[in-house]
Amino acid sequence: QKEVEQNSGPLSVPEGAIASLNCTYSDRGSQSFFWYRQYSGKSPELIMSIYSNGDKEDGRFTAQLNKASQYVSLLIRDSQPSDSATYLCAVYPGGGSYIPTFGRGTSLIVHP
Amino acid sequence: EAGVVQSPRYKIIEKKQPVAFWCNPISGHNTLYWYRQNLGQGPELLIRYENEEAVDDSQLPKDRFSAERLKGVDSTLKIQPAELGDSAVYLCASSLGTVTYNEQFFGPGTRLTVL
Repeated sequence: QKEVEQNSGPLSVPEGAIASLNCTYSDRGSQSFFWYRQYSGKSPELIMSIYSNGDKEDGRFTAQLNKASQYVSLLIRDSQPSDSATYLCAVYPGGGSYIPTFGRGTSLIVHP
Repeated sequence: EAGVVQSPRYKIIEKKQPVAFWCNPISGHNTLYWYRQNLGQGPELLIRYENEEAVDDSQLPKDRFSAERLKGVDSTLKIQPAELGDSAVYLCASSLGTVTYNEQFFGPGTRLTVL
């Protein structure tokens, strides 16, 4: 059973701070990694994808991947109250499988 | 461009009743996914279609769930009979294809409550 683990939180940070969200996965052959944001009562929306070790930046968001340690993280700089949501990590295994495994998500609260 | 459309948005039924959900993907998206999301959990894939062909349905409870995607466009997911444990949000998503790991666009979901 391929597993994707996330701390359910909530993670509470003050406005303007850096929020750090982490995700670990069990399948060492995993190839593709996605971060989704899900507001309460809404559907997930893609924030970032990452495929190679290292950092990938997009605006205030940075995804970090370390395949050797089997973790992927999402950093949100200058956090805003509008960033308050649940962040889902999705991992695609290798071997040509297109079935993603989602973590349970981390709830982020950014307080003014 | 219109997003993924799902209906109904909410459905309340009694156990043992049938229920059906409908999804219309983004125009041109060949791949369609049905997920189930329980409260406090991430989405779990039920079935994936490439055009009209179901290519991943290993997690679909086939004794009570069925799905179809006639003509490779819109899709229907059915539960018959529904059980209390089926209460969840059913999400439909679509993507251009799976040659690469394309972005999935999710619909608003159908929240099912089984009493």
